[in-house]
Amino acid sequence: DQQVKQNSPSLSVQEGRISILNCDYTNSMFDYFLWYKKYPAEGPTFLISISSIKDKNEDGRFTVFLNKSAKHLSLHIVPSQPGDSAVYFCAALLGRLYFGRGTQLTVWP
Amino acid sequence: DAGVIQSPRHEVTEMGQEVTLRCKPISGHNSLFWYRQTMMRGLELLIYFNNNVPIDDSGMPEDRFSAKMPNASFSTLKIQPSEPRDSAVYFCASSLVKGALKMAGELFFGEGSRLTVL
Repeated sequence: DQQVKQNSPSLSVQEGRISILNCDYTNSMFDYFLWYKKYPAEGPTFLISISSIKDKNEDGRFTVFLNKSAKHLSLHIVPSQPGDSAVYFCAALLGRLYFGRGTQLTVWP
Repeated sequence: DAGVIQSPRHEVTEMGQEVTLRCKPISGHNSLFWYRQTMMRGLELLIYFNNNVPIDDSGMPEDRFSAKMPNASFSTLKIQPSEPRDSAVYFCASSLVKGALKMAGELFFGEGSRLTVL
């Protein structure tokens, strides 16, 4: 039973435009959320996180937004670059990390 | 600094054979996690250890799977006997967990072991 859901398996965006990756969760007790990025043949690497007491966290081109009432978070990448092409996993923390299934982002020139 | 080291990177075996995957966590980390990645289920937590003690093994699929952590610098995940449905990428990750088993959010993953069972 997936407590963290990424309903879009793939997203294709032109270079320079905004990429928006979405994530929904079911458990209101989650207290911390993270995004991981994964390139082929590599392990996932931590990208950005947000505490449940905040609604926005920004790090360079990456911004994560949290809407607790909707149990929804999103990752914005502006501007998108070809090197951002990867699988992005959303994760939520409650004693342990619960991962979504991932979204494959492709940024084309 | 060396990251999480996994071996083998690739394993092809026949159904019924024993498979052993190995992991060396980052020095100083006190928690170790085994994940399995498949297209259908994404990243699934199989088991995690804190200070070498298994804390949560509820994700281990069945008795064919076992994991050990004999010391702070080494862990194994064993599948015996292996089946074609075990084919997946298996990741090991480590973290520094502070406090009473309160898990830190950031995990450091190895590069994974791709298992193919024919």
